[in-house]
Amino acid sequence: DTEVTQTPKHLVMGMTNKKSLKCEQHMGHRAMYWYKQKAKKPPELMFVYSYEKLSINESVPSRFSPECPNSSLLNLHLHALQPEDSALYLCASSQEGQMWYQETQYFGPGTRLLVL
Amino acid sequence: TQLLEQSPQFLSIQEGENLTVYCNSSSVFSSLQWYRQEPGEGPVLLVTVVTGGEVKKLKRLTFQFGDARKDSSLHITAAQPGDTGLYLCAGPGGGNKLTFGTGTQLKVEL
Repeated sequence: DTEVTQTPKHLVMGMTNKKSLKCEQHMGHRAMYWYKQKAKKPPELMFVYSYEKLSINESVPSRFSPECPNSSLLNLHLHALQPEDSALYLCASSQEGQMWYQETQYFGPGTRLLVL
Repeated sequence: TQLLEQSPQFLSIQEGENLTVYCNSSSVFSSLQWYRQEPGEGPVLLVTVVTGGEVKKLKRLTFQFGDARKDSSLHITAAQPGDTGLYLCAGPGGGNKLTFGTGTQLKVEL
């Protein structure tokens, strides 16, 4: 099973709403990531979790709050977002986590978020 | 910061044509990966190249890693509409990051 699943597939929210994105993998991977991707652009790294601890935060605004409840799950909590936050949010995982930037990353299908 | 520049940025061709996508950097990379992303989906890994001069083939796709490990190319023979997508190269960059290339948007028309 080399699948990373993400829910929901689509999300529309107002600027005052609170919502969460969910990511799950059952490959035994110890590194998990959140990326933001605008149309026809490469993914931009937001957060890296390694062994369930936040390893990298790429200066992401606090209205995005990641959470890693266990080694298989990764959440992204959203609050008071802006219209410019509308994008495809991708989750990925990789095996080892120690030198994660050299590992193959497996991506989920993404959540397409629209902020009105 | 290590940058990966891809060219061309956009490519629209007819079915059956051949094409080459380039991924260039001024920095040395220990390895490079190529991903394809179809509309509405996440990137899917196509190949990883790790040795300078390495050539890997995946059906109609041929990947090459430059001798100096600063560049890579992807050649598609007899393109098909199913090859349409965003092609991304990526490699371990500075600051413990995976650096993505600037992307090449390919459209193959009937």
